[in-house]
Parts: sequence; structure tokens; C-alpha cells
Amino acid sequence: DVKVTQSSRYLVKRTGEKVFLECVQDMDHENMFWYRQDPGLGLRLIYFSYDVKMKEKGDIPEGYSVSREKKERFSLILESASTNQTSMYLCASSLSGRAGGPREQYFGPGTRLTVT
Amino acid sequence: AQSVTQPDIHITVSEGASLELRCNYSYGATPYLFWYVQSPGQGLQLLLKYFSGDTLVQGIKGFEAEFKRSQSSFNLRKPSVHWSDAAEYFCAVGASGAGSYQLTFGKGTKLSVIP
Repeated sequence: DVKVTQSSRYLVKRTGEKVFLECVQDMDHENMFWYRQDPGLGLRLIYFSYDVKMKEKGDIPEGYSVSREKKERFSLILESASTNQTSMYLCASSLSGRAGGPREQYFGPGTRLTVT
Repeated sequence: AQSVTQPDIHITVSEGASLELRCNYSYGATPYLFWYVQSPGQGLQLLLKYFSGDTLVQGIKGFEAEFKRSQSSFNLRKPSVHWSDAAEYFCAVGASGAGSYQLTFGKGTKLSVIP
């Protein structure tokens, strides 16, 4: 069974802290994604990676960075957390879309981050 | 760039009634289309997908969706809703072509089921 795991289900951090969100997939997928989900706004793509050490900005990258040192692991970093980064963060992975289009994404359970 | 509209923010149906959730997309070529479901506090689960071929696709949990190019729609249907179907549903579109990785998601439709 395919599996995407995220390091924490709930996280509470203080303003200004550096925050790491970890995501691991066991499906040998090339692509990995970080989204944030807010009520009424749906899913918004923060960053994605199509290979180890490769990354591309999504729609809302400001205030975030990412790291992908190994194929199975994709980390989201909040360099200095702010209250407007309080949100649900979802990680996903997929096979490569090189054959002609995007493949289905498999999602982790999400991390609900609260910044106080 | 592609986009997705889910016109209904919230729908309420009675258990046993039929269901149709609307999804309209904007994309110039044949899109890659997906429906996902999210139960409260959980991640998204894939219900079904359309890449090409038969325009009526079957998914898990008794759901189906029909791709209508002329209407730029990919509506999700279920003939008889169960209380456990209460969740939020997301339609997503991806662009065709090599090197296309991303999906664009709609804002979601929340489904409530009355016993």
C-alpha cells in the first residue's frame, strides 16, 4: 500500500522560530510537493521537487524554503515563523509526468501548524 | 495556465439520495482530471482520474465522473449517498505534455449528509 508520512500531525510554534516539516514517501516517486490548505482557499502549492536536490517554486513560496537530499524525503522549512503561516500543510508525491502529463498525487495526513 | 472552478461551496443531501458535484476547468488542450476526497483532519484520497479514452470513468466508493469537452466539465456523481460520504471533495486539473508535474485544485465542495 502506498504511503506518505508527515513527521507531525499537530505542531505549535512561536513567532520567529525556525520550523521544519518532514515528509517521507515509500513509493520511489520522483515528484514531491508541499501545499498549504486554508478554509475557502483550497490547496495552494508552495514548492515542488521533481528530482533529488531539484526544486521549483509554486504559487506561494514566500517565507518558505525546501530541501530534498534523498529521493524519499522532502522537507519544508519556515525560516522565521509568522502567525499568517498558521495553516494545514499537506505533502504529496507522484510518479514522473515525463511521459506526457501529470500523474496522480498521493497525500500524507497533513500537519496542522499553529504559530502563536 | 489551467484553472478549476467548483461552483458549489457546500451541498447538503439526504442519505440515499443521488449526488452530483460540479467541476469546470479551463485549459486549451485535453486536460488530465482528478477527483479527490478529504475527510475531516485527513489528507486527500484519490477517487478517480481521467487521462484519455472513455469519458465516463469509474472510481472507488461507488463514484463516477463524466468528462464533457463541450462543456469543459468533469462532474462527480454517485447514485445513492451514504452518511460516510460526508467530506470535502476537490477537483483537480493538470496540463498535458512532457514535463508537466503540477495539478491545480479547485477550492472544494463540502458535502453534508442528512440521516
